[in-house]
Amino acid sequence: NAGVTQTPKFQVLKTGQSMTLQCAQDMNHEYMSWYRQDPGMGLRLIHYSVGAGITDQGEVPNGYNVSRSTTEDFPLRLLSAAPSQTSVYFCASSYDGLYYEQYFGPGTRLTVT
Amino acid sequence: AQKITQTQPGMFVQEKEAVTLDCTYDTSDQSYGLFWYKQPSSGEMIFLIYQGSYDEQNATEGRYSLNFQKARKSANLVISASQLGDSAMYFCAMREVSSGSARQLTFGSGTQLTVLP
Repeated sequence: NAGVTQTPKFQVLKTGQSMTLQCAQDMNHEYMSWYRQDPGMGLRLIHYSVGAGITDQGEVPNGYNVSRSTTEDFPLRLLSAAPSQTSVYFCASSYDGLYYEQYFGPGTRLTVT
Repeated sequence: AQKITQTQPGMFVQEKEAVTLDCTYDTSDQSYGLFWYKQPSSGEMIFLIYQGSYDEQNATEGRYSLNFQKARKSANLVISASQLGDSAMYFCAMREVSSGSARQLTFGSGTQLTVLP
């Protein structure tokens, strides 16, 4: 099993550009999520999905869009990049429930200039 | 109020000694899960150990154990026989019923552990 994969690992964008961060998992997990990690802070939830066709907002959703057309894939779109979106982005997946650990991808380090 | 509080921004421990990383949490839910993750300098998030709110026994996974004191709302991570490879940032996190379908992990701000040779 590859687990949770993310691409790209690094990305530099100019303000106003858009891009998509890719996330895929091969564990047949219902639940997938995107977090961002800023320096000195823990991770904060951006968007999540509890199954194909079902997505919802997390704590910090502004400026991001998601879709979930398959169980495996959960891309995150930056609509118009801003310097405040400079961060490390993690995708995670788990079985749906309180008691399951989330498995994280390796992260994408995004810089917006 | 902070849901997860980690009061030790940095900790040092001598190799082969045990170390306790503190975590307190705030929830009014009866059902919740507590998790510890390790983030080495390479950046990935590695799951270490889990404790459910209804579990009566403290969780253990190899050299990791969780000192769960429900009445005090604390879930401290104990690492026994520290190794140089344990040097990393450690995050405590919680999943609560009241988060609804979000099932999100709410993270603390982390503790940077350095193991000294």
